[in-house]
Amino acid sequence: GEDVEQSLFLSVREGDSSVINCTYTDSSSTYLYWYKQEPGAGLQLLTYIFSNMDMKQDQRLTVLLNKKDKHLSLRIADTQTGDSAIYFCAESPLGGATNKLIFGTGTLLAVQP
Amino acid sequence: DGGITQSPKYLFRKEGQNVTLSCEQNLNHDAMYWYRQDPGQGLRLIYYSQIVNDFQKGDIAEGYSVSREKKESFPLTVTSAQKNPTAFYLCASSTFRQGRAYNEQFFGPGTRLTVL
Repeated sequence: GEDVEQSLFLSVREGDSSVINCTYTDSSSTYLYWYKQEPGAGLQLLTYIFSNMDMKQDQRLTVLLNKKDKHLSLRIADTQTGDSAIYFCAESPLGGATNKLIFGTGTLLAVQP
Repeated sequence: DGGITQSPKYLFRKEGQNVTLSCEQNLNHDAMYWYRQDPGQGLRLIYYSQIVNDFQKGDIAEGYSVSREKKESFPLTVTSAQKNPTAFYLCASSTFRQGRAYNEQFFGPGTRLTVL
């Protein structure tokens, strides 16, 4: 089946680390993505990870993938107020003729100053 | 500048009226998508198109219609048959290759539709 789940809300203090979690059910997904949506705007790709990787680091962002448990996480180090946004994980099932993305419900990250 | 645009940003409609949302891209992308976003429900796919003059229903197509007469344009019509049309609508585009697993989608800024 195709179902991507995330917790709805996370609140952290500025300077702390944030960890946003995601679970997915389609084991054929070759790529998994993290998108960021600022208030009233569209989504922007933050980072992605290929399914044969366990971890990917990009400056303050660290993506961890546990393929056995179908669990994906996004860690933001030294969280800033500008990181306040909704974060979506998404999967791209292999061989889908449509190349559709399946998005999670989104996690609202609130950064307290 | 290459990108994807949507207009208008805010749209108000009376019940019973059809309304068309515009989506244009100059990224030379083959595939285009329409999503609906409601609080706490993430993004749900309405329609998508992989090539000009062809499109397919997504998960929530009832009450919506689309056309794809040009590669650059993928307008969405919200018809009076859509029971709960108030939402934030997002258009996206991507390159498309059959069986290609990587699919970065580029999003427009969205249109907020309110039915009065």
